[in-house]
Amino acid sequence: ELKVEQNPLFLSMQEGKNYTIYCNYSTTSDRLYWYRQDPGKSLESLFVLLSNGAVKQEGRLMASLDTKARLSTLHITAAVHDLSATYFCAVDTWVDSNYQLIWGAGTKLIIKP
Amino acid sequence: NAGVTQTPKFRVLKTGQSMTLLCAQDMNHEYMYWYRQDPGMGLRLIHYSVGEGTTAKGEVPDGYNVSRLKKQNFLLGLESAAPSQTSVYFCASSYTTTASQETQYFGPGTRLLVL
Repeated sequence: ELKVEQNPLFLSMQEGKNYTIYCNYSTTSDRLYWYRQDPGKSLESLFVLLSNGAVKQEGRLMASLDTKARLSTLHITAAVHDLSATYFCAVDTWVDSNYQLIWGAGTKLIIKP
Repeated sequence: NAGVTQTPKFRVLKTGQSMTLLCAQDMNHEYMYWYRQDPGMGLRLIHYSVGEGTTAKGEVPDGYNVSRLKKQNFLLGLESAAPSQTSVYFCASSYTTTASQETQYFGPGTRLLVL
């Protein structure tokens, strides 16, 4: 069974600080996704990581993927209030010809001025 | 482009009632998905479709049915609603290649309350 675990589930931090969100998954997969969700809103794609060693950056966010360790990280540099949101990682795979996209529980990030 | 739209935005049902949620996309995407999101949990895939006329079960399909009669539309049906189906339902779509699964684009969500 494919499981995706994120930690921490809740993070409160000060503006200007750096922090990392971790996403562990339990089975082999070469595709990992990061999404952002603002309260009461829909989900917005941040990154798609397609291979081992993949690193993508957008503004103050950087995501990486280590398929051997089954670990992805989302690093926040010099956080600003606008980055407050819930961040989800998701991993997909095929099981018996059925597509599965399994999501982590999400990390609620609050950035205080 | 409107992207992915969902109808209705909010609905209250009584136990045992039926309803259909409509998802529409104007991006010519092949793949469409229905998820539910419950508090404190990630999204769970209910059903998905890899093209017009085809559907498949996801992680939590029981109690739901789907249809994809047109490429741009994906319908989610609840035949006999139960309180456990109270949730926020998201539709998503993606245009895939044979080599990789691309990002999914999400609709605004439908809040369903079953009393």
